[in-house]
Amino acid sequence: GIQVEQSPPDLILQEGANSTLRCNFSDSVNNLQWFHQNPWGQLINLFYIPSGTKQNGRLSATTVATERYSLLYISSSQTTDSGVYFCAVRLVFGKGTKLTVNP
Amino acid sequence: GAVVSQHPSWVICKSGTSVKIECRSLDFQATTMFWYRQFPKQSLMLMATSNEGSKATYEQGVEKDKFLINHASLTLSTLTVTSAHPEDSSFYICSARDRTGGSYEQYFGPGTRLTVT
Repeated sequence: GIQVEQSPPDLILQEGANSTLRCNFSDSVNNLQWFHQNPWGQLINLFYIPSGTKQNGRLSATTVATERYSLLYISSSQTTDSGVYFCAVRLVFGKGTKLTVNP
Repeated sequence: GAVVSQHPSWVICKSGTSVKIECRSLDFQATTMFWYRQFPKQSLMLMATSNEGSKATYEQGVEKDKFLINHASLTLSTLTVTSAHPEDSSFYICSARDRTGGSYEQYFGPGTRLTVT
């Protein structure tokens, strides 16, 4: 089956810093999503991005399907950005990146 | 739009009993729903794919007789954990696809936290 790897596993930032989260996958993709899991466990859809670039406020994402990776950019991070960020390719989730934003 | 609900949000049951979890797509029709399981501080693992009107497809290693899935309508799928044991305690999350636009995007419910005592 498809392998999905996320890096880094943990990331600690000061409020206002920028960050890049990476998702590598082992096979062709027709479905790639980025999620933020809040402290209550709810998965919040960030991007549906099987290819190309999208932006939503301080967040943006890029998927280069031919090179089998996707990047999630968070700019001017806020404490409310803390949580776990998951990449899911087809129906397979990576292990996530735990982001902590300190005030 | 694209809201998925789950009920209950949390449940505590005694070992040996069965528990049913409902997953509903509130504002779209979902021909396919998915059930995931998440252990503490771990990722989500796909358990099964539920197709409306047909039998569910289970992932390798998932006991289909323990985790009964029914997808009786385009807006409702249920997961029944039969003869639950403490090792079944977990966070169960469903998702649904709205394929009307040809997208494979999944929308997730808020999850159900199951504790078996």
